[in-house]
Amino acid sequence: ETGVTQTPRHLVMGMTNKKSLKCEQHLGHNAMYWYKQSAKKPLELMFVYSLEERVENNSVPSRFSPECPNSSHLFLHLHTLQPEDSALYLCASSQEYRDYGYTFGSGTRLTVV
Amino acid sequence: GESVGLHLPTLSVQEGDNSIINCAYSNSASDYFIWYKQESGKGPQFIIDIRSNMDKRQGQRVTVLLNKTVKHLSLQIAATQPGDSAVYFCAENRGAGSYQLTFGKGTKLSVIP
Repeated sequence: ETGVTQTPRHLVMGMTNKKSLKCEQHLGHNAMYWYKQSAKKPLELMFVYSLEERVENNSVPSRFSPECPNSSHLFLHLHTLQPEDSALYLCASSQEYRDYGYTFGSGTRLTVV
Repeated sequence: GESVGLHLPTLSVQEGDNSIINCAYSNSASDYFIWYKQESGKGPQFIIDIRSNMDKRQGQRVTVLLNKTVKHLSLQIAATQPGDSAVYFCAENRGAGSYQLTFGKGTKLSVIP
């Protein structure tokens, strides 16, 4: 257990479904991140939150919607996804934004059918 | 295009031998580098980092070498063990005010007992 917990571990959803990924950390970290890891591609940063405020704006389709209700929880809301969105979605946290001591969760393996 | 990459996608080594995993980068302004290990079914785990003002840094059984002249980074694992089997990838911070990490695709290390 790394201190960052992601649920569910696996998710299969249809293109018309709406689902949410959850991330929780009890490390007292102030920054949280969503990364996408596709097969044969490098990790891609999707969203960054620092003290519950979004601080980075990477080019991510609007069908992905993040939410950070407090510094311990991060959600990724999914709707109208495409098969190419199938990937491992990783959550990470760090003590502060701009601190690279990331602790990653084990990820949610998402399959869009 | 991708700045951070790896010379070999797979590497097989005999247990007890030393492993060397390589990484090339193209941005001479990159000032911070990290090696991660990702075991099957888990998120990436920090191994070791190095700043651009250093050429070498050692950890427990691991050494990172940075050659800024040829923009090359390597991870050396001494006395490789079966538990070292994983995907290893490097990440760089490109400096110049950027706080994002750019990740490489990864090298899969397989340890032969």
